[in-house]
Amino acid sequence: EDKVVQSPLSLVVHEGDTVTLNCSYEVTNFRSLLWYKQEKKAPTFLFMLTSSGIEKKSGRLSSILDKKELFSFLKITATQTGDSAIYLCAPGGSNYKLTFGKGTLLTVNP
Amino acid sequence: DAGVIQSPRHEVTEMGQEVTLRCKPISGHDYLFWYRQTMMRGLELLIYFNNNVPIDDSGMPEDRFSAKMPNASFSTLKIQPSEPRDSAVYFCASSTGLHGYTFGSGTRLTVV
Repeated sequence: EDKVVQSPLSLVVHEGDTVTLNCSYEVTNFRSLLWYKQEKKAPTFLFMLTSSGIEKKSGRLSSILDKKELFSFLKITATQTGDSAIYLCAPGGSNYKLTFGKGTLLTVNP
Repeated sequence: DAGVIQSPRHEVTEMGQEVTLRCKPISGHDYLFWYRQTMMRGLELLIYFNNNVPIDDSGMPEDRFSAKMPNASFSTLKIQPSEPRDSAVYFCASSTGLHGYTFGSGTRLTVV
């Protein structure tokens, strides 16, 4: 059975702090790992990682995949209140289905 | 493109009633997924289709749940009879594989 463990489950920081969200996984026939941000509605896509060691960046967000250790992290620098959300990690296999972790609830206080 | 469209947005029903949730995927996407989200269990995959054919329904909790995809532009998830423990947000998502995995806005189901 595919497994995804995200840590921490929740995190409270102040604006300007840097945070790192972790994801470990066990997925049959792994292909890619996706990160999503979920505010009040549906999850929205952030990154798709396929290759180990290659950092993907989008503004203040970045992410790396380690396929040997079955691990990924999402880093947010200079956090803003608008970053408050649940961040979901979802590895996918050759069958194209995503298995989601329970997420990390990030709260950024002004 | 209007994205993945789900209806209704909210549904409140009494225990024992039949509930039907609807989804219109993005045109050209050949995969369609039904997920359920609760605080306790997070996002769980219920069933998914490829080219309108059900591929994996191992996540469907029990026989009260059924899903169909009669054509490429429409899918339904039915619960009959509904129970209070079915209360959750149900998401439909469509994709062309792992790329472009897009979620609908969800249906918040409350069974009283």
